Amino acid sequence: KAGVTQTPRYLIKTRGQQVTLSCSPISGHRSVSWYQQTPGQGLQFLFEYFSETQRNKGNFPGRFSGRQFSNSRSEMNVSTLELGDSALYLCASSRLQGQNSPLHFGNGTRLTVT
Amino acid sequence: SQQGEEDPQALSIQEGENATMNCSYKTSINNLQWYRQNSGRGLVHLILIRSNEREKHSGRLRVTLDTSKKSSSLLITASRAADTASYFCATDGGGTSYGKLTFGQGTILTVHP
Repeated sequence: KAGVTQTPRYLIKTRGQQVTLSCSPISGHRSVSWYQQTPGQGLQFLFEYFSETQRNKGNFPGRFSGRQFSNSRSEMNVSTLELGDSALYLCASSRLQGQNSPLHFGNGTRLTVT
Repeated sequence: SQQGEEDPQALSIQEGENATMNCSYKTSINNLQWYRQNSGRGLVHLILIRSNEREKHSGRLRVTLDTSKKSSSLLITASRAADTASYFCATDGGGTSYGKLTFGQGTILTVHP
């Protein structure tokens, strides 16, 4: 079974631009979560989607948004990029709907904002 | 802010030795999970322990949980060079927290051949 796939693997953008990151979950997984990882703040939760609905959201500004499609694939968008948005963005999927469900992570998209 | 605090921040051992990492957290939990991350890659789930469990084993891994002290430990026995990675504990904060895990800052484990 294929794992979680994130594209692109690397991105370089300029301040003020916007970016879209893509995530394909493991087949059969309907929950998709997004995390930001930086050396200073560590791993921080962005949002979670299940059946095209955002069920949970972290403490990030409105510049960060996401969506999920009917095939469970997900995208996240960051508008008006800032230098501080440089990070590894990780997508994770899970099989179970509720608690006690391990997350399966992709290898991430490394975003550099210059 | 990170709920979990991991200790030590870095650990360097020889192959064959045991490695113990500790994690403390602040809120109630439904479960606590441990993940491994190799440099620049995604996290790999290692083990999940529920709040009503005290100890769990998986291969060379042993996890303990003390909810009264809000702490957990991960023991890797007979470590190998391939165990070199960062290890994170993660909690769900109790209640309903779809997809949201709060991660510690991690322990960087280096196993020397």
